[in-house]
Amino acid sequence: GQSLEQPSEVTAVEGAIVQINCTYQTSGFYGLSWYQQHDGGAPTFLSYNALDGLEETGRFSSFLSRSDSYGYLLLQELQMKDSASYFCAVWGDMRFGAGTRLTVKP
Amino acid sequence: EAQVTQNPRYLITVTGKKLTVTCSQNMNHEYMSWYRQDPGLGLRQIYYSMNVEVTDKGDVPEGYKVSRKEKRNFPLILESPSPNQTSLYFCASSLNNEQFFGPGTRLTVL
Repeated sequence: GQSLEQPSEVTAVEGAIVQINCTYQTSGFYGLSWYQQHDGGAPTFLSYNALDGLEETGRFSSFLSRSDSYGYLLLQELQMKDSASYFCAVWGDMRFGAGTRLTVKP
Repeated sequence: EAQVTQNPRYLITVTGKKLTVTCSQNMNHEYMSWYRQDPGLGLRQIYYSMNVEVTDKGDVPEGYKVSRKEKRNFPLILESPSPNQTSLYFCASSLNNEQFFGPGTRLTVL
């Protein structure tokens, strides 16, 4: 079948580093995207990986391994405002994972 | 300001009463789509449109209709809403691989 798997919840403290993993099984794959959604808000785009490797954008980085059907989002120097849900999404099938709720504690 | 707008933001209706949720984007994007978001299920695509007059079903199209008569507008139509369509709906438009989402429409069908 077609699916994206990511952990449902992650908790970390301010200043720490957290990694949110995503494994996917899909028929149409062009790349893997990550979105952030705060409670009551709309999803906002964070990153996109079409090729294997690491993409860095400030405190956030995203990694893709096409051969392993796996990617992750890495958040560094966590801040309270990073508390949100994070979704991986396949570009092609336009499928989203169920989301990972990140809680950053002081 | 580049944006996707949706109306209404909140709607409570009754079973069987036809409704339309409007979506408009001012970025001249060709690709637009509708999603519903339910707890624990993430976002599921309802319909999408690659361009004017071109629409296609997503993963959960049953009970919904769409139209794309103009590039900027992509309304979602529920001809006969049922309680299982109670959800949070998002419209999105896309440039390349980045999707821009509207603010969402929270729909309750009684």
